[in-house]
Amino acid sequence: TQLLEQSPQFLSIQEGENLTVYCNSSSVFSSLQWYRQEPGEGPVLLVTVVTGGEVKKLKRLTFQFGDARKDSSLHITAAQPGDTGLYLCAGAGGAGGTSYGKLTFGQGTILTVHP
Amino acid sequence: DTEVTQTPKHLVMGMTNKKSLKCEQHMGHRAMYWYKQKAKKPPELMFVYSYEKLSINESVPSRFSPECPNSSLLNLHLHALQPEDSALYLCASSQLEGRQETQYFGPGTRLLVL
Repeated sequence: TQLLEQSPQFLSIQEGENLTVYCNSSSVFSSLQWYRQEPGEGPVLLVTVVTGGEVKKLKRLTFQFGDARKDSSLHITAAQPGDTGLYLCAGAGGAGGTSYGKLTFGQGTILTVHP
Repeated sequence: DTEVTQTPKHLVMGMTNKKSLKCEQHMGHRAMYWYKQKAKKPPELMFVYSYEKLSINESVPSRFSPECPNSSLLNLHLHALQPEDSALYLCASSQLEGRQETQYFGPGTRLLVL
């Protein structure tokens, strides 16, 4: 069974601070997706990373995929209250016989940014 | 356009009712998914359809019955549910059922079983 350890589980910060969320696994993934979700809504895709060592930037958000494709991080610079939500990482297509189409989710990070 | 739509937005049903959740996408995606999500937890996969055929059933109780009438539509028929089935039900789609395929989620149906 593949596991994706996401940390921290909770993060409460002030507006303007920086933060990093980590997802780590002992398994290799073909791709990894990051989502942001607000209460009662569906997860909204932020980014998909595919290549080991890849870095993608989306305004104040920076995503990294580890060289070995086992881990990923999300860094937010100068957080704003609008960044508040549940952040989920999800790995797809790992080695070891994972079925096509099945995502392995991290446990999620609940981020609260206070004004 | 990366939109997946779901209806209804909210649903309240008794344990003897029969209801259906609907999902639609017009992105030409050939894989569609149903997930169940409890508050502040990650989604749990229930079913996967690939080219309108059921490819994965994650040992879901038979009171949940999926249906894929065509490549754009996915239904989830509900019958004799239990209160513990109350959750956010999410539909997702991807281009194909593949290892590098990004899944796009709908807004979900919030289900309450009384």
